[in-house]
Amino acid sequence: EADIYQTPRYLVIGTGKKITLECSQTMGHDKMYWYQQDPGMELHLIHYSYGVNSTEKGDLSSESTVSRIRTEHFPLTLESARPSHTSQYLCASRGGLSTEAFFGQGTRLTVV
Amino acid sequence: SQQGEEDPQALSIQEGENATMNCSYKTSINNLQWYRQNSGRGLVHLILIRSNEREKHSGRLRVTLDTSKKSSSLLITASRAADTASYFCATYSGAGSYQLTFGKGTKLSVIP
Repeated sequence: EADIYQTPRYLVIGTGKKITLECSQTMGHDKMYWYQQDPGMELHLIHYSYGVNSTEKGDLSSESTVSRIRTEHFPLTLESARPSHTSQYLCASRGGLSTEAFFGQGTRLTVV
Repeated sequence: SQQGEEDPQALSIQEGENATMNCSYKTSINNLQWYRQNSGRGLVHLILIRSNEREKHSGRLRVTLDTSKKSSSLLITASRAADTASYFCATYSGAGSYQLTFGKGTKLSVIP
């Protein structure tokens, strides 16, 4: 079982609120990823990091920001939540030369 | 843009039948992976096939890769109700090949 954790699992929040989705892994992986998954299943890469203090935007334009101050922690922040941000957010990590990515259980976000 | 595209989008079969899912990708790859997602949860790695391999087996899974057609297929033999899930192909792309991007997925339903 993968040691990568996302909190909260479910979140309902009002429009305009600032939120941070947490992702932590205990495997010492250097690379971490955030995906947004729409109801039609498609996963969109929104941010990734290949090490501490390195972050990049993914294919999908996102109003979220990320930080990577510690190897094990990769939080995603929405400064002002909107209904269009309602989605499932998945965090993943992989280490070194390994190609296998390990996923957290996801955060299902609903913005009302 | 998504690197991989799966078809069919949805597949419904009887228990004991074989299920075949296809994936096409756009750019050159070093390897291709298949992942499984149970409803609403994180993805789990199933199998990886390298660009110099044409076929690979793992238990009831068989993966093929045709680099000339930029396509791969995943065959699940003797399907079980527990195989009901969504299946995604994934490839690495971008500078440094850090970006892990997924296809749109095939939703498999195995009817007992």
